Amino acid sequence: NAGVTQTPKFQVLKTGQSMTLQCAQDMNHEYMSWYRQDPGMGLRLIHYSVGAGITDQGEVPNGYNVSRSTTEDFPLRLLSAAPSQTSVYFCASSYSNHRSSPLHFGNGTRLTVT
Amino acid sequence: LAKTTQPISMDSYEGQEVNITCSHNNIATNDYITWYQQFPSQGPRFIIQGYKTKVTNEVASLFIPADRKSSTLSLPRVSLSDTAVYYCLVGSAYSGAGSYQLTFGKGTKLSVIP
Repeated sequence: NAGVTQTPKFQVLKTGQSMTLQCAQDMNHEYMSWYRQDPGMGLRLIHYSVGAGITDQGEVPNGYNVSRSTTEDFPLRLLSAAPSQTSVYFCASSYSNHRSSPLHFGNGTRLTVT
Repeated sequence: LAKTTQPISMDSYEGQEVNITCSHNNIATNDYITWYQQFPSQGPRFIIQGYKTKVTNEVASLFIPADRKSSTLSLPRVSLSDTAVYYCLVGSAYSGAGSYQLTFGKGTKLSVIP
């Protein structure tokens, strides 16, 4: 099992460019989410999905879009990158949306916006 | 959302037991307490989870007092490889009537000294 796979590992963008961060899981998990991690800020929830076709906003959703067309994939789109979006992005999944279901994380995408 | 408070950093010598305490004064009745470990350049990894009293697995123990307003992660006989950031997480499941939010604090950076 690959678990949660994120691509790319590193990305440099110029201000105003768009891109999609990919996230795929092979564990048939219903719940998927995106976090960003900035120095001294811990992890902050951007968007999440409790199943295919269902998404919702987290703590810091502005500037990001998501969709969930399949159970396996949960891409994160930056429509017009800004330097404030320079961060490390983590995708996570869990078996269910039950409160006792632990999260499985990918190894992150390090994004730099110049 | 239950907010958590942890020490920013801790130092310990190899072979010692380490206890990291997390405060979560407004924990909800149905919330679980989950701890994650994060190494540099990796996503967080699930360590242990509990609801009340004590939980033990092959990696750590988790102590939760009766009022559940705090919890303590105990790592027995730490080694250099336990140097990492440890996050305490308290969260509620998606109820269908509200949002699903798992809030990560800033974590505790544990440094193990030879």
